[in-house]
Amino acid sequence: DGGITQSPKYLFRKEGQNVTLSCEQNLNHDAMYWYRQDPGQGLRLIYYSQIVNDFQKGDIAEGYSVSREKKESFPLTVTSAQKNPTAFYLCASLGDLNSPLHFGNGTRLTVT
Amino acid sequence: LAKTTQPISMDSYEGQEVNITCSHNNIATNDYITWYQQFPSQGPRFIIQGYKTKVTNEVASLFIPADRKSSTLSLPRVSLSDTAVYYCLVGDRYNQGGKLIFGQGTELSVKP
Repeated sequence: DGGITQSPKYLFRKEGQNVTLSCEQNLNHDAMYWYRQDPGQGLRLIYYSQIVNDFQKGDIAEGYSVSREKKESFPLTVTSAQKNPTAFYLCASLGDLNSPLHFGNGTRLTVT
Repeated sequence: LAKTTQPISMDSYEGQEVNITCSHNNIATNDYITWYQQFPSQGPRFIIQGYKTKVTNEVASLFIPADRKSSTLSLPRVSLSDTAVYYCLVGDRYNQGGKLIFGQGTELSVKP
């Protein structure tokens, strides 16, 4: 089955620690995205990548970093500089022209 | 980038038709319109997509007027399981993997 895998589903960290969220896709999609969602809110764009070894900041990139060394992988690191890291994080990919975004099932990060 | 505006919430009853309108006044010539459905703690999933006029699939219809400054998602005969948040997304059909910004979404509550 093709799809997007985000792991883990739940993640707990202490304040001041960096943490990396995994996102893997086997859809052979070129573009990948990271969104953040807070309770009762919409999706906010953190970073996106259109091709390997290239990525752009979204609207809320501060305190986050990404890499795109392989087409199928787009990990997101939440650094200690992110003031309010507790949130639901969603990864997505985009394939052919006019195709919709495919989302993973998300990682819920709790930082205490 | 086209900004989207939707009602924050809507209520309906089982068996009724629900119409959710999205405003996108500054939509560009190359932009297409996509609607997603999101349940709590899950990634959004694709419902329907269109560029102009009317599109229909097995679960919904999408109406886009000639000026394309708005679009309406129509859900026929909703059930309790249609209770979810619905997002419209406007994206450049020729810029695969460009910046894709979601609005706040519409929280639909279907009552028995």
